[in-house]
Amino acid sequence: DAGITQSPRHKVTETGTPVTLRCHQTENHRYMYWYRQDPGHGLRLIHYSYGVKDTDKGEVSDGYSVSRSKTEDFLLTLESATSSQTSVYFCAISVDRAHGYTFGSGTRLTVV
Amino acid sequence: SQQGEEDPQALSIQEGENATMNCSYKTSINNLQWYRQNSGRGLVHLILIRSNEREKHSGRLRVTLDTSKKSSSLLITASRAADTASYFCATAQNTGTASKLTFGTGTRLQVTL
Repeated sequence: DAGITQSPRHKVTETGTPVTLRCHQTENHRYMYWYRQDPGHGLRLIHYSYGVKDTDKGEVSDGYSVSRSKTEDFLLTLESATSSQTSVYFCAISVDRAHGYTFGSGTRLTVV
Repeated sequence: SQQGEEDPQALSIQEGENATMNCSYKTSINNLQWYRQNSGRGLVHLILIRSNEREKHSGRLRVTLDTSKKSSSLLITASRAADTASYFCATAQNTGTASKLTFGTGTRLQVTL
């Protein structure tokens, strides 16, 4: 998707290991978001950022942490991966509160 | 918890027909947005309607919003096979720091030739 990339696209990891997903944007948008998508649940907000070093929790933040040290990068860390964190993770960006989001292509994470 | 709930969960129509999807939500909103997701891909923003608007058009898309009933509908006219996708409504609530979107579980649209 133009202006926003997620890495890696796929990852398999073992239970108990830390995992970091990266979201990179070239749009200079202020707001960045991490969602997870699971069957039957739609998309649920994990964490979001409203500026460099400014982050807040979303609906399902337990077990996750984030960091944003520069405008273009928003990192999501699973501190100790569990099987319940197997999911597809989407990053999104928005320029302000009055516009829609632009989503990345997603990271499919499998915790075994 | 889901703020928006789409109806129907799945819809199958023939090319050229119109497709209507509905969304209901529970609390007050700043705006409501519709997104499309093709299988295995990210979501694509389609249209945003503000809480003080009642209807909005974009190409073959028509969105209505009834805040008294806490409901919205998305109409796709003259559907095409390429419209096959999942469609999500999302309600926006402004917090002190950001505008957070809460998504429904989506409507899967299948358009057949």
